[in-house]
Amino acid sequence: EAGVAQSPRYKIIEKRQSVAFWCNPISGHATLYWYQQILGQGPKLLIQFQNNGVVDDSQLPKDRFSAERLKGVDSTLKIQPAKLEDSAVYLCASSSDGRYNEQFFGPGTRLTVL
Amino acid sequence: GENVEQHPSTLSVQEGDSAVIKCTYSDSASNYFPWYKQELGKRPQLIIDIRSNVGEKKDQRIAVTLNKTAKHFSLHITETQPEDSAVYFCAANQPRSGGYQKVTFGTGTKLQVIP
Repeated sequence: EAGVAQSPRYKIIEKRQSVAFWCNPISGHATLYWYQQILGQGPKLLIQFQNNGVVDDSQLPKDRFSAERLKGVDSTLKIQPAKLEDSAVYLCASSSDGRYNEQFFGPGTRLTVL
Repeated sequence: GENVEQHPSTLSVQEGDSAVIKCTYSDSASNYFPWYKQELGKRPQLIIDIRSNVGEKKDQRIAVTLNKTAKHFSLHITETQPEDSAVYFCAANQPRSGGYQKVTFGTGTKLQVIP
């Protein structure tokens, strides 16, 4: 079974620039999550999709972050414009439907904003 | 919303000793408690989990206990080995209307096993 794929693995940009991350979840997984993990901290949920609908985006800074999951499969997360404090690892995870659902994480994208 | 606290933030043990990491949660509706291990520069991976209708679960050197009344759960690693060195995260899942689960992570414990 192929795992969660993410790209790019690393990205360096200057503040005020834009950046986009891509995630391909495990085939058949209905739920997709985007997390922000700042060094030394736990993953912070940014947005959660159930199929192609958003079920939780309460911690997404909507003035600069946006995400979509067209056709309920792949997803993109965009930051526009980036700030220094956006430097972090962005993790994508997916899980199947069910009451007790293990999350499978992708390798993450390490973003550095200069 | 749910709040998950995790202690300690760092833990050093001698190889062969046991390690215990504790988490507390606030939402009594939480019904699933996974533990993830994250090695340096790698993705979090599930190592053990427990459902709310179970008090204890064991898998070789790893065990998790859950006290629903006190709203806390703990990870126990026995006979620690250097390869156990990593950051460990607890999490609590809360069911939501619409059939999805909301996941809240703890802040992590950096475990160092000294050879």
